[in-house]
Amino acid sequence: GESVGLHLPTLSVQEGDNSIINCAYSNSASDYFIWYKQESGKGPQFIIDIRSNMDKRQGQRVTVLLNKTVKHLSLQIAATQPGDSAVYFCAENASGGSYIPTFGRGTSLIVHP
Amino acid sequence: DGGITQSPKYLFRKEGQNVTLSCEQNLNHDAMYWYRQDPGQGLRLIYYSQIVNDFQKGDIAEGYSVSREKKESFPLTVTSAQKNPTAFYLCASSGSGTGIGYSNQPQHFGDGTRLSIL
Repeated sequence: GESVGLHLPTLSVQEGDNSIINCAYSNSASDYFIWYKQESGKGPQFIIDIRSNMDKRQGQRVTVLLNKTVKHLSLQIAATQPGDSAVYFCAENASGGSYIPTFGRGTSLIVHP
Repeated sequence: DGGITQSPKYLFRKEGQNVTLSCEQNLNHDAMYWYRQDPGQGLRLIYYSQIVNDFQKGDIAEGYSVSREKKESFPLTVTSAQKNPTAFYLCASSGSGTGIGYSNQPQHFGDGTRLSIL
């Protein structure tokens, strides 16, 4: 089946730096993408999503960029804080398919004070 | 507040025993899902249900069973046939989006049940 993967399993940054977490996807039919944050011992929380008719979407301190040409998705976190330390997952979904999202393995973000 | 509630938070299973994990949502979502998460791994789909009284197997359904008698509830039973049940189990739900099906709505997750073997 199609897969969603992450380039880096662990990302360490200093507090105040900007963080970039990357995700590659292989299903060219995917048209909806979501980023989740999972803290230790908890379920994933929705952060931000983007549809394929957009290439950038901004939230509070987060920006998602979508490059459909190279099938690449990234999550940028501005002024990273210790509370941002978590595992971040990307997920993709395709209209007209099974409606079940495909999740990447996750990237662990570690923020050093 | 609306959300998904999973219980119990921790569960222990004895050899040969079936155990049932509860998942309840008050978000009025049609679709519900069960995932298994192992350390350092992504989410693997066990079962999903898009409507009451109907459900489909996911990628790793063997050794598990579900029911969907009510819209709000989607319990998962880990049977004795599941030989490696130790994992973190996550339940999720999603609503209908505009257009086709549920593909353009994010899933909402519970806080999981950690199942271990005694």
